[in-house]
Amino acid sequence: TQLLEQSPQFLSIQEGENLTVYCNSSSVFSSLQWYRQEPGEGPVLLVTVVTGGEVKKLKRLTFQFGDARKDSSLHITAAQPGDTGLYLCAGRRTHDMRFGAGTRLTVKP
Amino acid sequence: NAGVTQTPKFQVLKTGQSMTLQCAQDMNHNSMYWYRQDPGMGLRLIYYSASEGTTDKGEVPNGYNVSRLNKREFSLRLESAAPSQTSVYFCAARASSPETQYFGPGTRLLVL
Repeated sequence: TQLLEQSPQFLSIQEGENLTVYCNSSSVFSSLQWYRQEPGEGPVLLVTVVTGGEVKKLKRLTFQFGDARKDSSLHITAAQPGDTGLYLCAGRRTHDMRFGAGTRLTVKP
Repeated sequence: NAGVTQTPKFQVLKTGQSMTLQCAQDMNHNSMYWYRQDPGMGLRLIYYSASEGTTDKGEVPNGYNVSRLNKREFSLRLESAAPSQTSVYFCAARASSPETQYFGPGTRLLVL
């Protein structure tokens, strides 16, 4: 079983729709990161959240860290085809960082 | 400024063959990592190096060895490849502040 569970695994939506993806764990993390990965490339960092309850916005993307620092969500407003990709969350523990399996998002024009 | 580079991009091996995956970074970061990515499993840490001259096991180290040749280079060796090692391998270098992992483009390995 994964330390970080991401849901949904797959999401296919139309351009302009809103969506939320989730990253859940029973473990506490000192920080949590979200990455986006495109086919044939390595993941690229989108954001790091550190404080429980923290909300960060990156244009149409809103990231939230749970109060207990065990979970996080990513909300995309008015999705565009350019948002298509694999979204990975990663939690920092004392000695390592663990990744979730990812949510594969497809935004259709 | 290339960031993190990996070679080769693709490789096909027969069971029992050996090979070394190369990784280099030009960002002067101390920490470097090797991950494997499999469908439905996410990225799993194989080995990491917190600084030049040190290496430590990650989550899935069996069947692999690493060498931190210098600050720039961190190689991953498969001594006797097995089909279970078919995967996409990513190298990363980590900046401390703000904490960011920079990933290479990956090596796609198929073991027959």
